[in-house]
Amino acid sequence: DVKVTQSSRYLVKRTGEKVFLECVQDMDHENMFWYRQDPGLGLRLIYFSYDVKMKEKGDIPEGYSVSREKKERFSLILESASTNQTSMYLCASSYRLDQPQHFGDGTRLSIL
Amino acid sequence: EDQVTQSPEALRLQEGESSSLNCSYTVSGLRGLFWYRQDPGKGPEFLFTLYSAGEEKEKERLKATLTKKESFLHITAPKPEDSATYLCAVQASGGSYIPTFGRGTSLIVHP
Repeated sequence: DVKVTQSSRYLVKRTGEKVFLECVQDMDHENMFWYRQDPGLGLRLIYFSYDVKMKEKGDIPEGYSVSREKKERFSLILESASTNQTSMYLCASSYRLDQPQHFGDGTRLSIL
Repeated sequence: EDQVTQSPEALRLQEGESSSLNCSYTVSGLRGLFWYRQDPGKGPEFLFTLYSAGEEKEKERLKATLTKKESFLHITAPKPEDSATYLCAVQASGGSYIPTFGRGTSLIVHP
C-alpha cells in the first residue's frame, strides 16, 4: 500500500514565522500535491509537482511556496505565516496525473 | 470552469436505512470521476473511479454510478461505521488532469 506521511499532525506557530510542512511518499510516485481543507470550502489545491524540482501553482498559491529536491519529498513553505492560513493541510501523491491520489492524514496548523 | 456540487451537505440515517449521495458536475469533457471517503482527523481514502456514463462500481454496501451529468453513491443498509465525509472529484479530459473536488457530504449513521 502507498504510504504518504506528513511530518506533524498538529502544529502551532506565530504570525510572521516561516513555517515548513513536510510530506514523504514511499511509492516512487511522480506527482505530489498540497491542499488545504477548510469547513464549507472543501479541498483547494495550493501547489503540485510533476517531477523533481518542477512545480505548478494551484488555485490558491498566494503566501505559499514549495520545494521538491527529491522525488519522495514535497515541502510546503509559508513564507510569513498569517492567521488566515490556519487550516488543515493535506499532502497527496499519484503515479500519473489521471490516477486517483493517495493522501496523508493531514497537518492541522494553527497560526496565533 | 469545472464545477462539482455535492448534495446534500449533511445526511443523517438510521442503521439499515438506504440512501444516495449526489455529485453533479460541469466539465468540458469527463476523463474520470473519483469517490473518496474521509474519516474525522484523517486524509481522504480512495473508493472508486468511474470513466463513462452507465458505469457502476461496488464495494461492500457502497455502489457508485455515473451519468453524463452526475454520479450517485448509493449506500445500502448502512452501518454506523459508514459514518464519514464522502468526497467526489472530477477530472476533465483537457488540460492538466488535476481533479476538481466537491465540498463533500457528511454522513452520520445512527445505531
